[in-house]
Amino acid sequence: GAGVSQSPSNKVTEKGKDVELRCDPISGHTALYWYRQSLGQGLEFLIYFQGNSAPDKSGLPSDRFSAERTGGSVSTLTIQRTQQEDSAVYLCASSPLRAGGFSYNEQFFGPGTRLTVL
Amino acid sequence: AQKITQTQPGMFVQEKEAVTLDCTYDTSDPSYGLFWYKQPSSGEMIFLIYQGSYDQQNATEGRYSLNFQKARKSANLVISASQLGDSAMYFCAMREGWNTGTASKLTFGTGTRLQVTL
Repeated sequence: GAGVSQSPSNKVTEKGKDVELRCDPISGHTALYWYRQSLGQGLEFLIYFQGNSAPDKSGLPSDRFSAERTGGSVSTLTIQRTQQEDSAVYLCASSPLRAGGFSYNEQFFGPGTRLTVL
Repeated sequence: AQKITQTQPGMFVQEKEAVTLDCTYDTSDPSYGLFWYKQPSSGEMIFLIYQGSYDQQNATEGRYSLNFQKARKSANLVISASQLGDSAMYFCAMREGWNTGTASKLTFGTGTRLQVTL
């Protein structure tokens, strides 16, 4: 079946502009995650959704960052008044939520959105 | 303190040889899961293998195996019979808390770049 999709694949914007990044998870996956990967770095957790609620927003770097999920499916990450340090690849992942030891609920990642803030 | 530590920024291995990528972790939670992901130059994150903290045996998945030493808090990835297509970044990640069917973020290490040579 279809994997996680993200749009746009690349986004170049000017400092101070707002941007919206979109994620379409795998159908039926209850959990959705946003991560950020700066050049040459590992992945940094931003936020996750379980259904439409976000139990953990602890990774959002500032109040310029927000995210929502509607219908238990598509999610949008919004960055307001972008800064150059926001330049990174933004990765979305989804996972099922099966309980139990053998169900490790691996996260399936999308191809990412490369954001460049000039 | 770093929760996931990957001390090898880069590794070289000859084709058909085995290679071990190191990962140590830090958690006070007795219930956790450890994951390895591969990130080729194309950028997508590919799930490779999982080890739960209560698993008695080391995980194996094809040419991938996980050398889990709980007392040392290490979860090294072993790739046997390396292939040119194994050249990529490899990330170790941890999920804390028992798999109760609720979402939980992954904490990633900084990665190891593996180059397979002829």
